[in-house]
Amino acid sequence: GAGVSQSPSNKVTEKGKDVELRCDPISGHTALYWYRQSLGQGLEFLIYFQGNSAPDKSGLPSDRFSAERTGGSVSTLTIQRTQQEDSAVYLCASSLFPGQASYEQYFGPGTRLTVT
Amino acid sequence: SQQGEEDPQALSIQEGENATMNCSYKTSINNLQWYRQNSGRGLVHLILIRSNEREKHSGRLRVTLDTSKKSSSLLITASRAADTASYFCATPYGATNKLIFGTGTLLAVQP
Repeated sequence: GAGVSQSPSNKVTEKGKDVELRCDPISGHTALYWYRQSLGQGLEFLIYFQGNSAPDKSGLPSDRFSAERTGGSVSTLTIQRTQQEDSAVYLCASSLFPGQASYEQYFGPGTRLTVT
Repeated sequence: SQQGEEDPQALSIQEGENATMNCSYKTSINNLQWYRQNSGRGLVHLILIRSNEREKHSGRLRVTLDTSKKSSSLLITASRAADTASYFCATPYGATNKLIFGTGTLLAVQP
């Protein structure tokens, strides 16, 4: 079956612009995670969705970052007024059940964001 | 930071040799997972070892876990050029089981 998909695969934007990154999880996966991978910080957690609600937003680095999930499926990560330090690969992952540590997370190919 | 440490940071070997990567973590765990990343993009799950297991095998992969030392190792036997990638250990944390990743090992297998 289809895996996790993300779009766009690459995004170049000017400093100060807003960007939206999209994630389509595996059908039926109720848990959805966003992570960020940057040279200086490695792989770090951003936000977790259980269905349409986000009980854990602790990894969002600033209030310029927000995310939503609709219909228990597609999620959008929005970065407002982008800064150069936002340049990174943004990875989305989904999992079969929320809160199950033993369940594998399936990752999408990521969106490489470059802020110029 | 809760991030785990991995060593070595980079490893270069010849095809057919074995590659060993080590991971240390900071918190109590339910399980530890290893992921592979090709070309800085999507992560692929390789293997999961539970906290009550000491060793696990999957094909050419062998993972060990020492919870007393909070460490794990990943051994890839008879390496191939296609094994060239970055390898990360990760532990699920908290009620949401968000993954806390190690710093990663960049493996280069020379043909």
